[in-house]
Amino acid sequence: DAMVIQNPRYQVTQFGKPVTLSCSQTLNHNVMYWYQQKSSQAPKLLFHYYDKDFNNEADTPDNFQSRRPNTSFCFLDIRSPGLGDAAMYLCATSRGTEPYNEQFFGPGTRLTVL
Amino acid sequence: GQNIDQPTEMTATEGAIVQINCTYQTSGFNGLFWYQQHAGEAPTFLSYNVLDGLEEKGRFSSFLSRSKGYSYLLLKELQMKDSASYLCAVLDSNYQLIWGAGTKLIIKP
Repeated sequence: DAMVIQNPRYQVTQFGKPVTLSCSQTLNHNVMYWYQQKSSQAPKLLFHYYDKDFNNEADTPDNFQSRRPNTSFCFLDIRSPGLGDAAMYLCATSRGTEPYNEQFFGPGTRLTVL
Repeated sequence: GQNIDQPTEMTATEGAIVQINCTYQTSGFNGLFWYQQHAGEAPTFLSYNVLDGLEEKGRFSSFLSRSKGYSYLLLKELQMKDSASYLCAVLDSNYQLIWGAGTKLIIKP
C-alpha cells in the first residue's frame, strides 16, 4: 500500500543533543511537509518542499533544518533541542499545491527532550 | 491575520448526532478540509468542500457556506470509536493549509 512512513515513532533526546527525524513516502507526491504539533494545538507548519524547492515558514526557528535528498525522503534536523521542542512531528505529502491539496499524513514521531 | 475557530471540546452520546462548527477568516479560500485525529495518531482525511452546500459521506457530512465563512461537520449514529479530535483546515490563496486547533469529541455510552 502506498503510504507515508516516519521513523522512529518515538524519539528521546537530551537537551542540546542534535536529533534527526525521517520521513519517506511511496505515493510519489511532489510536496512534502513537516509539522510540529503540541498537545491540543493545531499542527504548525515548519517547512514544505515542492519537489526540491524549499519553503521555510517565517516563524520557524533556525534550530530546525530540513533536507530532501530525493522525491521519496525528507529529514527534519533539530540542531539543539530545547524542552520546548518536545512535541509530535508530523510529515505529510500531497500531489501538488492546486487545485485540490489533500494532505496524507505519516503516523508521526513523538519527540521527548530530557 | 488568519483565523480558524472551532469549539475546544464537545460531548455526545453513543448513537446520537453531533454537529461540530468551524468559522474561518483567511486570505483567500481554495477549499476547506475536515480531518479526524485520534489521540497520539496522525490526522486522517474526512472531507473536502470548495463549493457551498452539503457533502455526504456515509455517517459523516460536511457543509460549507463561503459567504458566511462557516462550515460544519455532522456525525450521525455516533460510535465510541468516533471519540477523537476533529480538525478544520482552510486552504488559503497561497494554497497553504491554515489549521484550527481541533475539537475534542467525547462519546459517552
